[in-house]
Amino acid sequence: AQTVTQSQPEMSVQEAETVTLSCTYDTSESDYYLFWYKQPPSRQMILVIRQEAYKQQNATENRFSVNFQKAAKSFSLKISDSQLGDAAMYFCAYRVGSNDYKLSFGAGTTVTVRA
Amino acid sequence: ETGVTQSPTHLIKTRGQQVTLRCSSQSGHNTVSWYQQALGQGPQFIFQYYREEENGRGNFPPRFSGLQFPNYSSELNVNALELDDSALYLCASSSGATRTGANVLTFGAGSRLTVL
Repeated sequence: AQTVTQSQPEMSVQEAETVTLSCTYDTSESDYYLFWYKQPPSRQMILVIRQEAYKQQNATENRFSVNFQKAAKSFSLKISDSQLGDAAMYFCAYRVGSNDYKLSFGAGTTVTVRA
Repeated sequence: ETGVTQSPTHLIKTRGQQVTLRCSSQSGHNTVSWYQQALGQGPQFIFQYYREEENGRGNFPPRFSGLQFPNYSSELNVNALELDDSALYLCASSSGATRTGANVLTFGAGSRLTVL
């Protein structure tokens, strides 16, 4: 079974500063995808960024970037120039292959942004 | 394009009752999956429907069942409700695209179920 672990229940960051969220996963698969989702108080899960395991280059989406360490099974999210709108619950998620839609989620990290 | 819509947004039931939650998938999407998110936890996969057939199921008992309709909308039914069924139920749709990793899930805002 695949497991996703987020060891930081809460993180706080000053507006305009950088915060890094940790995620580790356990798998024996070689073909998989990793995701970070954001869940604001509106409850809707929003995809922040995704990483294909076969790609060595770390994914980047504007202020969001990941540090993917495949051998260590680590997938951290860096939020740069934090904004008040970044405040939310962030979930790391894992999926096997490209046709298995089942996502396995971590327990989440609550991010608070201080003005 | 319209996103994923779910109804109702909130509902309260008593133990032993049955509930039906509904989901309209995003335009162009043919696959629907359901997740249960207990308070303070990450979502847990319940099952997935593709072309009106269940083609994947998580560790949930048979009293959790579903349907997918020809227009790709879906229902989640839960029988004999238990207190632990209180949770946010999320529906997600995807396009079932080619092997590109492009078949990213689009989530709805969920249905908050409280079982008393």
